[in-house]
Amino acid sequence: QKEVEQDPGPLSVPEGAIVSLNCTYSNSAFQYFMWYRQYSRKGPELLMYTYSSGNKEDGRFTAQVDKSSKYISLFIRDSQPSDSATYLCALSGGSYIPTFGRGTSLIVHP
Amino acid sequence: EAGVAQSPRYKIIEKRQSVAFWCNPISGHATLYWYQQILGQGPKLLIQFQNNGVVDDSQLPKDRFSAERLKGVDSTLKIQPAKLEDSAVYLCASSYRPRDSPSYEQYFGPGTRLTVT
Repeated sequence: QKEVEQDPGPLSVPEGAIVSLNCTYSNSAFQYFMWYRQYSRKGPELLMYTYSSGNKEDGRFTAQVDKSSKYISLFIRDSQPSDSATYLCALSGGSYIPTFGRGTSLIVHP
Repeated sequence: EAGVAQSPRYKIIEKRQSVAFWCNPISGHATLYWYQQILGQGPKLLIQFQNNGVVDDSQLPKDRFSAERLKGVDSTLKIQPAKLEDSAVYLCASSYRPRDSPSYEQYFGPGTRLTVT
């Protein structure tokens, strides 16, 4: 079993939809939870990070962490075609050496 | 603020040849990372530097890969000799810890796309 599991997709949604992206993990030592967005032929860009269970909101994005279930989510409200990208979750422990999921490809069509 | 710079952006070499990648992190970022990202996968850490010291190189194939960070700023990653399976994007990242935050924020460069034929 991989430390971090993420469905590669692709996930195709219409513009304006609410998108839910998820990762599961197996290592209880993970303390920090990050979401990155990666456009084609670009490096990953940090979207959000959190270090506790619960929700964190930033504009149209909400990150949710459930440590008891070892499950993290990223929600995107009012999705736009410009949100089309690969979304990577990354988790780390106290040493801050992140372990990445394989990424979920999101396509938002007009 | 300038981002993480990498060069070259693309490189095509034949197997058994050598290649080197360069990275200039964001000014003031003490921590620098090299990742390998194979198509369809997430980035895999190769090596992490704190200033000019190595923090973690457990996943670096040391028989063919080497990295250095002279003077705690720029870094180079070298592959010698290259194999077909080294075809990937090599990403450099740097990080800092914001005040009042228990975690670090990591910023990536655009990557170098390596094709080994």
